[in-house]
Amino acid sequence: KAGVTQTPRYLIKTRGQQVTLSCSPISGHRSVSWYQQTPGQGLQFLFEYFSETQRNKGNFPGRFSGRQFSNSRSEMNVSTLELGDSALYLCASSLVVGASYEQYFGPGTRLTVT
Amino acid sequence: DAKTTQPNSMESNEEEPVHLPCNHSTISGTDYIHWYRQLPSQGPEYVIHGLTSNVNNRMASLAIAEDRKSSTLILHRATLRDAAVYYCILSEIQGAQKLVFGQGTRLTINP
Repeated sequence: KAGVTQTPRYLIKTRGQQVTLSCSPISGHRSVSWYQQTPGQGLQFLFEYFSETQRNKGNFPGRFSGRQFSNSRSEMNVSTLELGDSALYLCASSLVVGASYEQYFGPGTRLTVT
Repeated sequence: DAKTTQPNSMESNEEEPVHLPCNHSTISGTDYIHWYRQLPSQGPEYVIHGLTSNVNNRMASLAIAEDRKSSTLILHRATLRDAAVYYCILSEIQGAQKLVFGQGTRLTINP
């Protein structure tokens, strides 16, 4: 079974631009969560989508948004990029059935804002 | 979310057992204990989780104290591939998709 895939793997953007990152979950997984990882703040939860609905949200400004499609694929968008948005963005998918709640993470998208 | 405390770093030798401790004195009755690890240049990887009883899987064992205020992740025979940052996380099972990661323990394995 294929793992979680994220595209693109690397991205360089300029301050003020916007960016869209994509995540394809493991087949059959309906939950997709997004995390931001920086050296200073570590891994921080952004939001989670389940069956196309945002179910949980972390403490990030409204510039960070996401959505999930009917095939469970998810995108996250960051508008008006700031230098501090440079980070590794990770997505994770979960089966969320019975006792299967573990998350499977993708390799991440490395975003650099200049 | 209840907080966990882990040592910043630990070191062990290849083919020896490794015991990674985690303190969680404010754990609630519905909190599960989850362990994830992050190998260099990779996303985190699920290791194991448990509620009250000790748990075993092909990767590791999880020993949970009787009062649940601490737990230990046990790698039975460490390999070089086990060098990673190990995170101990508490969440209700319904919150297992919004994990709150701490700083974790950086495990170094010596050949």
